[in-house]
Amino acid sequence: TQLLEQSPQFLSIQEGENLTVYCNSSSVFSSLQWYRQEPGEGPVLLVTVVTGGEVKKLKRLTFQFGDARKDSSLHITAAQPGDTGLYLCAGEHDTGNQFYFGTGTSLTVIP
Amino acid sequence: DSGVTQTPKHLITATGQRVTLRCSPRSGDLSVYWYQQSLDQGLQFLIQYYNGEERAKGNILERFSAQQFPDLHSELNLSSLELGDSALYFCASRPGTAYNSPLHFGNGTRLTVT
Repeated sequence: TQLLEQSPQFLSIQEGENLTVYCNSSSVFSSLQWYRQEPGEGPVLLVTVVTGGEVKKLKRLTFQFGDARKDSSLHITAAQPGDTGLYLCAGEHDTGNQFYFGTGTSLTVIP
Repeated sequence: DSGVTQTPKHLITATGQRVTLRCSPRSGDLSVYWYQQSLDQGLQFLIQYYNGEERAKGNILERFSAQQFPDLHSELNLSSLELGDSALYFCASRPGTAYNSPLHFGNGTRLTVT
């Protein structure tokens, strides 16, 4: 059983479209991170959110942490082929030990 | 380059065999995490070490074991291998155990059990 569920699992869109990926849990997290993974490589950190309701922007990517710190979303504006990859959310409790990863969203942006 | 080195990159072995995967964390990082990634299960947390001591255990099978050495490199030992153990195995490191600091991942070891 995954502690963090992501939706959708797969997403294929045209270049220029907008999209939102969701990361949901019944557990409260002290921090939540988003990673992107490309084939043959390890995940790379995109952002960390720690405060309920926090919104962070990274160019065309907008990340939001839910008020109750149980869920998060990633919104991409005007997707580009370079955004293609596997997006993973990861939550951590304040024990600083186990890092729980979500089920992943595989995004393909078609030129 | 994350600074985390994993060897070997690829490993092909037969059922019943034993293999050792190696991880060198980023310079100065004390915490090492091991994850298993297969197509249908995402990233599954296996085990975490901090400065040589086991800190947390996830879904790690009894056939698997790990350790972190005084020089902070870590090894994951997989024994009595089964076909279902075929997966990507990732190591990640971070400076300590303070939450909200990022994990830095290696590029993984792809294990194929035939």
